Amino acid sequence: DAKTTQPTSMDCAEGRAANLPCNHSTISGNEYVYWYRQIHSQGPQYIIHGLKNNETNEMASLIITEDRKSSTLILPHATLRDTAVYYCIVSRDTGRRALTFGSGTRLQVQP
Amino acid sequence: GAVVSQHPSWVICKSGTSVKIECRSLDFQATTMFWYRQFPKQSLMLMATSNEGSKATYEQGVEKDKFLINHASLTLSTLTVTSAHPEDSSFYICSARGAAGTQYFGPGTRLLVL
Repeated sequence: DAKTTQPTSMDCAEGRAANLPCNHSTISGNEYVYWYRQIHSQGPQYIIHGLKNNETNEMASLIITEDRKSSTLILPHATLRDTAVYYCIVSRDTGRRALTFGSGTRLQVQP
Repeated sequence: GAVVSQHPSWVICKSGTSVKIECRSLDFQATTMFWYRQFPKQSLMLMATSNEGSKATYEQGVEKDKFLINHASLTLSTLTVTSAHPEDSSFYICSARGAAGTQYFGPGTRLLVL
């Protein structure tokens, strides 16, 4: 699976949009971009994933650049409960391969 | 989204005893389940992949005789830490992969070996 690069940490004001970047310049054509988050002492929570089109669900939006070498996860109105470590992972959507977790971005939402 | 449960959520045991952790997919069938562990201030590390009805595949450095995995049905996988020692104290997390391919994680089991 392609390697991803994320900032170590970010701060965001409560109520504002949180934009978390991810670089995956070696992504292959059949690899998806997945985003998960892990709130302290809990298992990772699935947020969203996409292949090449932008995606939106009730939690977040995923913007993938046209060349697919980077993406941005957007939390439109961050709350204190969004404070977590956010992981951007690239993986094929088929088969039986596990997801490989990097260090992620520690997002701190400030009141 | 799909729900994965783990039991117990935390366990304290004496050194030398065995501990079994259950992982269940509650509303979908999981052909494949994964076991991870996470030490403090570190990311998740894959331990093994279990496929229903077949032997688990272990990652390099993970002792298969120490971490026994059984995936007896499409909704249940168990991890047994045999002869646990203090260095096995960790946060153990399972995940289940549904037919659509997305991986869903359990809430984790915190193990403390005294």
